[in-house]
Amino acid sequence: SQWGEENLQALSIQEGEDVTMNCSYKTYTTVVHWYRQDSGRGPALIILIRSNEREKRSGRLRATLDTSSQSSSLSITAAQCEDTAVYFCAQGGSAKLIFGEGTKLTVSS
Amino acid sequence: EAAVTQSPRNKVAVTGGKVTLSCNQTNNHNNMYWYRQDTGHGLRLIHYSYGAGSTEKGDIPDGYKASRPSQENFSLILELATPSQTSVYFCASGDWAGGSSYEQYFGPGTRLTVL
Repeated sequence: SQWGEENLQALSIQEGEDVTMNCSYKTYTTVVHWYRQDSGRGPALIILIRSNEREKRSGRLRATLDTSSQSSSLSITAAQCEDTAVYFCAQGGSAKLIFGEGTKLTVSS
Repeated sequence: EAAVTQSPRNKVAVTGGKVTLSCNQTNNHNNMYWYRQDTGHGLRLIHYSYGAGSTEKGDIPDGYKASRPSQENFSLILELATPSQTSVYFCASGDWAGGSSYEQYFGPGTRLTVL
C-alpha cells in the first residue's frame, strides 16, 4: 500500500484479472484523488472520491474511502494491457495535495 | 489542445549554473504548482501559487525560487543548480472541484540533469 516513506510498490497481473491498490494515510482527510501516470507523461486524475461517497465508480474503476480506518482503495476490474501505468493516491481537502509513492501496475497478455 | 505546457522538455545544466523552467496554462486556473519526481517515488511539492504575483513554499523549497508573473505563467528557478536537483519536474494548474477539493492538471514534465 502507499503513503509515508514507502517506495514505489509494484504489481504484475494477467489480462482479465481484477486488482486492488491501497492507500493509508496518517491525518484525517475527506477527499482522496487517484491519479494515473503513463510512462513519460504527467499524472492524470482518474477518480476523486469524497467521504460522503464511500464508493465511486468510473467504467472498470472503483474507488473507496473509509475515513474511520483512514484508507482508500482503487480497484480495476478485468484489467487490460492499456491499464499498465503507475497509480498514485493523493490526500486532498485543500489547494495542496499530498501524494503517495505510487503503485506500478503491469498487465500482461 | 494541451492545457499545461512546460519548456524545455529536457535540460542539461552544469553545477552552479542558473536554470529556469517555464510553465504555461490555458485553463485559466488560479492555482499553479511545481513538483519534482525522483525515480521510483511520488511527487513532492516545491512551490505553488494562488494567482499572479503570489508564490508559496511547498514541502521542499530549499534551493528553488518561483515566479508567477501572470495568470498563465509560472516559473521555477534554480539559482545555483546542484546534482541533487537532477529530477523530473512537473507543473500543474489547479481548479476548485467543490467542497474543499482542488483538482490538479499536470504538464508533460521537464527532465533536468545537473552535471
